Amino acid sequence: EIVMTQSPATLSVSPGERATLSCRASQSVSSNLAWYQQKPGQAPRLLIYGASTRATGIPARFSGSGSGTEFTLTISSLQSEDFAVYYCQQYNNWPPVTFGGGTKVEIK
Amino acid sequence: EVQLVQSGAEVKKPGESLKISCKGSGYSFTSYWIGWVRQMPGKGLEWMGIIYPGDSDTRYSPSFQGQVTISADKSISTAYLQWSSLKASDTAMYYCARHTGYCSGGSCYSVAWFDPWGQGTLVTVSS
Repeated sequence: EIVMTQSPATLSVSPGERATLSCRASQSVSSNLAWYQQKPGQAPRLLIYGASTRATGIPARFSGSGSGTEFTLTISSLQSEDFAVYYCQQYNNWPPVTFGGGTKVEIK
Repeated sequence: EVQLVQSGAEVKKPGESLKISCKGSGYSFTSYWIGWVRQMPGKGLEWMGIIYPGDSDTRYSPSFQGQVTISADKSISTAYLQWSSLKASDTAMYYCARHTGYCSGGSCYSVAWFDPWGQGTLVTVSS
């Protein structure tokens, strides 16, 4: 099973600042990685797939990069609606598909 | 619009059985894998398993194999997650979601990212 590790667990950022979230895989997943956003009381929402492709309707301030074992989600200028928990997910080797433990982005 | 609508919240006692549902609409239900994801209170996302409604092919995470049963009724575009004997530790939010596939380098893969997700079903198991 591929283990996905996200860091940091919590990121404190001021509105308008850049946020950089990391996701590491225990072995290569190529570019087969997705990112999701989850707000309290809501289901997760797809942000990025294929490591760097934005899903339909996702603002350009969200960008993904990386391949192999190291991946990054960058939010270029945090808006109030971006404070949430973010998860990465690999789909290169399954079963099982695996998720990272999440990074909570909170207001500084 | 592609949509997954889940059944409502459940409160059960330990040892009871339960079956929750996920109804798909707006797409060909038999052509995409549907997955179930557990989220325990205050915790992250765990992939439990998936089903291909077209032929009922089912795959489980080793962590959930034997603990739950995933099924589907393609005639009503509905997938199910079932327990025969609930435990307190089954208390969680359960999401269904559709796996999207992709093609790369001349090959196509049917299990990739999840989109969309159902709204979730909260299952509470308490004596």
